[in-house]
Amino acid sequence: EVQLVESGGGLVQPGGSLRLSCAASGFTFSSYWMSWVRQAPGKGLEWVANIKQDGSEKYYVDSVKGRFTISRDNAKNSLYLQMNSLRAEDTAVYYCARDLSVWSFSSAFDIWGQGTMVTVSS
Amino acid sequence: QSALTQPASVSGSPGQSITISCTGTSSDVGGYNYVSWYQQHPGKAPKLMIYDVSNRPSGVSNRFSGSKSGNTASLTISGLQAEDEADYYCSSYTSSSTLFGTGTKVTVL
Repeated sequence: EVQLVESGGGLVQPGGSLRLSCAASGFTFSSYWMSWVRQAPGKGLEWVANIKQDGSEKYYVDSVKGRFTISRDNAKNSLYLQMNSLRAEDTAVYYCARDLSVWSFSSAFDIWGQGTMVTVSS
Repeated sequence: QSALTQPASVSGSPGQSITISCTGTSSDVGGYNYVSWYQQHPGKAPKLMIYDVSNRPSGVSNRFSGSKSGNTASLTISGLQAEDEADYYCSSYTSSSTLFGTGTKVTVL
């Protein structure tokens, strides 16, 4: 079964750090662009970051540049999001998602994890 | 970058057709044929319904169709059913990143 499972969410104080993980199974993880997408409580979806198959290209939404780092370990079939200098506005469910295409980043996410909740509060 | 613009809500009776619009700019929706649509039920992860403007992934009902004209993309749901009641989001490729729409709540009357 093709599956993505996130972990690492929780409650953290403003200014703190958290590392999210996403374990992939059921497909050749190293063949796909991967992304993180978040959804604040009661709000819409927001793309956060993506990473190329070999990790050579990474892109971020402006609001997290310099604070978040996306990475992957293809040997472990895992995607990560290191989040530093967290702010209240980073509070959201964080989803990892697989890009549909194996050729290039198509911005269509066909496989999603169940999400992990990050709460930034004192 | 601002989110793509969608109507906050759309409603219809069972069996009817509804259309959701998604308006962007020439830098996103209008510039690429990489528009997708997602369905999200409460407490669930989004589900891909349409990709590359008008393509349906395997397993998605042919009652869902997509199109694009200029800077505006559209999702049409025909033969509306109770299970179609959900939030719908469009998205577009833009400069190696993704922009999502503001979201539309579809209500089946």
